[in-house]
Amino acid sequence: EVQLVQSGTEVKKPGESLKISCKGSGYTFSNYWILWVRQMPGKGLEWMGIIYPDDSDIRYSPSFQGQVTISADNSINTAYLQWNNLKASDSAMYYCARRKDWHFDLWGRGTLVFVSS
Amino acid sequence: QSALTQPPSASGSLGQSVTIYCTGTSSDVGAHHYVSWYQQHPGKAPKLIIFEVNKRPSGVPDRFSGSKSGNTASLTVSGLQAEDEADYHCCSYAGKNKDVFGTGTKLTVL
Repeated sequence: EVQLVQSGTEVKKPGESLKISCKGSGYTFSNYWILWVRQMPGKGLEWMGIIYPDDSDIRYSPSFQGQVTISADNSINTAYLQWNNLKASDSAMYYCARRKDWHFDLWGRGTLVFVSS
Repeated sequence: QSALTQPPSASGSLGQSVTIYCTGTSSDVGAHHYVSWYQQHPGKAPKLIIFEVNKRPSGVPDRFSGSKSGNTASLTVSGLQAEDEADYHCCSYAGKNKDVFGTGTKLTVL
Protein backbone atom coordinates (compact mmCIF):
# COMPACT_ATOMS: atom_id res chain seq x y z
CA GLU A 1 0.00 0.00 0.00
CA VAL A 2 1.24 3.46 -0.91
CA GLN A 3 1.30 5.49 2.30
CA LEU A 4 3.11 7.97 4.52
CA VAL A 5 3.23 6.95 8.17
CA GLN A 6 4.01 9.67 10.69
CA SER A 7 5.34 9.31 14.21
CA GLY A 8 3.05 9.68 17.20
CA THR A 9 1.91 12.51 19.41
CA GLU A 10 4.62 14.39 21.27
CA VAL A 11 4.33 16.28 24.57
CA LYS A 12 7.37 18.45 25.26
CA LYS A 13 8.52 21.37 27.39
CA PRO A 14 9.71 24.73 26.06
CA GLY A 15 13.40 24.67 25.21
CA GLU A 16 13.46 20.94 24.48
CA SER A 17 14.44 19.36 21.17
CA LEU A 18 12.22 17.23 18.99
CA LYS A 19 12.47 15.24 15.77
CA ILE A 20 9.33 13.84 14.15
CA SER A 21 9.28 11.45 11.24
CA CYS A 22 7.42 10.54 8.08
CA LYS A 23 8.05 7.11 6.56
CA GLY A 24 7.04 6.36 3.00
CA SER A 25 6.16 2.93 1.68
CA GLY A 26 4.76 1.37 -1.48
CA TYR A 27 6.62 3.68 -3.83
CA THR A 28 10.16 4.87 -4.65
CA PHE A 29 10.64 7.27 -1.75
CA SER A 30 13.71 9.00 -3.15
CA ASN A 31 11.93 10.12 -6.33
CA TYR A 32 9.29 12.39 -4.80
CA TRP A 33 9.51 15.64 -2.87
CA ILE A 34 8.20 15.46 0.71
CA LEU A 35 6.50 18.54 2.13
CA TRP A 36 6.04 19.48 5.79
CA VAL A 37 2.91 21.44 6.71
CA ARG A 38 1.91 23.11 9.96
CA GLN A 39 -1.71 23.47 11.01
CA MET A 40 -2.38 25.37 14.19
CA PRO A 41 -5.68 24.73 15.98
CA GLY A 42 -8.58 26.03 13.93
CA LYS A 43 -6.29 27.49 11.28
CA GLY A 44 -5.24 26.84 7.69
CA LEU A 45 -2.34 24.90 6.25
CA GLU A 46 1.10 26.50 6.31
CA TRP A 47 3.83 25.45 3.86
CA MET A 48 6.97 24.95 5.97
CA GLY A 49 9.53 23.37 3.70
CA ILE A 50 10.12 20.59 1.23
CA ILE A 51 12.88 18.04 0.63
CA TYR A 52 13.84 15.89 -2.34
CA PRO A 53 15.21 12.75 -0.66
CA ASP A 54 17.32 11.66 -3.61
CA ASP A 55 19.77 14.56 -3.26
CA SER A 56 18.50 16.27 -0.07
CA ASP A 57 17.65 19.45 -1.96
CA ILE A 58 15.66 21.45 0.62
CA ARG A 59 13.53 24.58 0.26
CA TYR A 60 12.25 26.44 3.31
CA SER A 61 9.50 28.98 3.65
CA PRO A 62 10.99 32.26 4.87
CA SER A 63 8.64 31.99 7.85
CA PHE A 64 10.26 28.75 8.99
CA GLN A 65 13.87 29.16 7.78
CA GLY A 66 16.14 28.90 10.80
CA GLN A 67 13.31 27.73 13.04
CA VAL A 68 13.22 24.08 11.94
CA THR A 69 15.45 21.59 10.14
CA ILE A 70 14.20 19.23 7.47
CA SER A 71 16.17 16.12 6.57
CA ALA A 72 15.74 12.66 5.08
CA ASP A 73 17.29 9.22 5.26
CA ASN A 74 16.82 7.40 1.98
CA SER A 75 18.04 4.10 3.41
CA ILE A 76 14.92 3.89 5.58
CA ASN A 77 12.56 5.92 3.38
CA THR A 78 12.02 8.51 6.08
CA ALA A 79 11.84 12.29 6.21
CA TYR A 80 12.24 14.31 9.38
CA LEU A 81 11.24 17.64 10.86
CA GLN A 82 13.36 18.83 13.77
CA TRP A 83 13.35 21.60 16.37
CA ASN A 84 16.26 22.48 18.66
CA ASN A 85 14.49 24.91 20.97
CA LEU A 86 10.75 24.32 21.14
CA LYS A 87 8.36 27.13 22.00
CA ALA A 88 4.76 26.97 23.13
CA SER A 89 3.85 28.52 19.77
CA ASP A 90 5.15 25.37 18.03
CA SER A 91 2.15 23.48 19.38
CA ALA A 92 0.28 22.32 16.30
CA MET A 93 -0.52 19.42 14.01
CA TYR A 94 2.23 18.68 11.51
CA TYR A 95 1.56 16.83 8.27
CA CYS A 96 3.90 15.43 5.68
CA ALA A 97 2.76 15.07 2.10
CA ARG A 98 4.18 13.70 -1.15
CA ARG A 99 4.44 16.01 -4.11
CA LYS A 100 3.48 14.44 -7.41
CA ASP A 101 4.13 16.84 -10.27
CA TRP A 102 2.76 20.12 -8.88
CA HIS A 103 0.30 18.90 -6.26
CA PHE A 104 0.25 16.83 -3.10
CA ASP A 105 -1.41 13.48 -3.71
CA LEU A 106 -0.49 11.52 -0.59
CA TRP A 107 -0.69 12.74 2.99
CA GLY A 108 0.31 11.35 6.35
CA ARG A 109 -2.22 11.33 9.19
CA GLY A 110 -0.35 14.03 11.06
CA THR A 111 1.74 14.32 14.21
CA LEU A 112 0.36 16.37 17.07
CA VAL A 113 3.00 18.35 18.94
CA PHE A 114 2.10 19.89 22.30
CA VAL A 115 4.59 22.19 23.99
CA SER A 116 3.83 23.36 27.51
CA SER A 117 5.64 23.97 30.75
CA GLN B 1 5.40 34.43 0.45
CA SER B 2 1.95 35.55 1.66
CA ALA B 3 -0.89 33.07 1.98
CA LEU B 4 -3.49 33.01 -0.77
CA THR B 5 -6.73 34.68 0.27
CA GLN B 6 -9.86 32.60 0.78
CA PRO B 7 -13.12 33.56 2.49
CA PRO B 8 -13.24 32.16 6.03
CA SER B 9 -16.61 30.59 5.43
CA ALA B 10 -19.07 29.61 2.71
CA SER B 11 -22.43 27.89 2.80
CA GLY B 12 -25.07 26.38 0.59
CA SER B 13 -28.17 24.26 0.88
CA LEU B 14 -28.37 20.59 0.06
CA GLY B 15 -28.45 20.13 -3.70
CA GLN B 16 -27.35 23.67 -4.48
CA SER B 17 -23.98 24.88 -5.76
CA VAL B 18 -21.33 26.92 -3.99
CA THR B 19 -18.12 28.50 -5.28
CA ILE B 20 -15.05 29.20 -3.16
CA TYR B 21 -12.52 31.72 -4.42
CA CYS B 22 -8.77 31.76 -3.87
CA THR B 23 -6.91 34.96 -4.69
CA GLY B 24 -3.17 35.14 -5.14
CA THR B 25 -0.76 37.24 -7.13
CA SER B 26 0.95 37.32 -10.51
CA SER B 27 3.82 35.37 -8.90
CA ASP B 28 1.75 32.35 -7.90
CA VAL B 29 -1.84 31.77 -9.07
CA GLY B 30 -1.47 34.11 -12.02
CA ALA B 31 1.87 32.71 -13.11
CA HIS B 32 1.25 28.98 -13.14
CA HIS B 33 -1.44 26.48 -14.13
CA TYR B 34 -0.69 24.57 -10.94
CA VAL B 35 -3.51 25.29 -8.53
CA SER B 36 -4.74 22.44 -6.37
CA TRP B 37 -7.53 22.11 -3.85
CA TYR B 38 -7.71 19.97 -0.71
CA GLN B 39 -10.70 18.87 1.34
CA GLN B 40 -10.22 18.38 5.06
CA HIS B 41 -12.81 16.91 7.38
CA PRO B 42 -12.46 17.56 11.14
CA GLY B 43 -9.65 15.56 12.68
CA LYS B 44 -8.55 14.20 9.31
CA ALA B 45 -5.67 14.81 6.95
CA PRO B 46 -6.24 16.93 3.84
CA LYS B 47 -7.29 15.09 0.69
CA LEU B 48 -6.51 16.18 -2.87
CA ILE B 49 -9.69 16.92 -4.85
CA ILE B 50 -8.50 19.16 -7.71
CA PHE B 51 -5.07 19.53 -9.32
CA GLU B 52 -3.69 21.60 -12.19
CA VAL B 53 -6.63 24.01 -11.83
CA ASN B 54 -9.38 21.73 -13.11
CA LYS B 55 -8.37 18.06 -13.02
CA ARG B 56 -9.92 15.56 -10.64
CA PRO B 57 -8.07 12.57 -9.17
CA SER B 58 -9.66 9.19 -9.64
CA GLY B 59 -12.52 8.70 -7.20
CA VAL B 60 -13.38 12.36 -6.70
CA PRO B 61 -16.97 13.05 -7.76
CA ASP B 62 -17.50 15.26 -10.81
CA ARG B 63 -19.55 17.55 -8.56
CA PHE B 64 -16.20 19.15 -7.75
CA SER B 65 -14.77 21.42 -10.43
CA GLY B 66 -12.08 24.07 -10.61
CA SER B 67 -11.17 27.04 -12.74
CA LYS B 68 -8.87 30.03 -12.82
CA SER B 69 -8.97 33.57 -14.13
CA GLY B 70 -5.99 35.82 -13.72
CA ASN B 71 -4.81 35.77 -10.12
CA THR B 72 -7.96 34.08 -8.80
CA ALA B 73 -8.78 30.39 -8.75
CA SER B 74 -12.12 28.92 -7.80
CA LEU B 75 -13.60 25.65 -6.62
CA THR B 76 -17.25 24.89 -7.35
CA VAL B 77 -19.16 22.19 -5.55
CA SER B 78 -22.40 21.34 -7.34
CA GLY B 79 -25.29 19.32 -5.95
CA LEU B 80 -24.13 19.87 -2.38
CA GLN B 81 -24.27 16.83 -0.15
CA ALA B 82 -23.98 16.61 3.61
CA GLU B 83 -20.55 14.96 3.36
CA ASP B 84 -19.20 17.98 1.50
CA GLU B 85 -19.21 19.93 4.77
CA ALA B 86 -15.49 20.37 5.44
CA ASP B 87 -12.61 22.81 5.24
CA TYR B 88 -11.23 23.54 1.79
CA HIS B 89 -7.69 24.73 1.12
CA CYS B 90 -6.27 26.00 -2.15
CA CYS B 91 -2.60 25.79 -3.04
CA SER B 92 -0.54 27.27 -5.84
CA TYR B 93 2.94 26.61 -7.13
CA ALA B 94 5.03 29.74 -6.63
CA GLY B 95 8.22 28.88 -8.47
CA LYS B 96 11.61 27.49 -7.38
CA ASN B 97 9.96 24.34 -6.00
CA LYS B 98 7.95 26.32 -3.47
CA ASP B 99 4.20 26.51 -3.05
CA VAL B 100 1.76 28.57 -1.04
CA PHE B 101 -1.50 27.54 0.60
CA GLY B 102 -4.65 29.55 0.99
CA THR B 103 -6.10 30.70 4.29
CA GLY B 104 -8.78 28.00 4.19
CA THR B 105 -12.57 28.07 3.90
CA LYS B 106 -15.06 26.29 6.12
CA LEU B 107 -17.98 25.05 3.99
CA THR B 108 -21.29 24.56 5.76
CA VAL B 109 -24.10 22.59 4.14
CA LEU B 110 -27.44 23.95 5.29
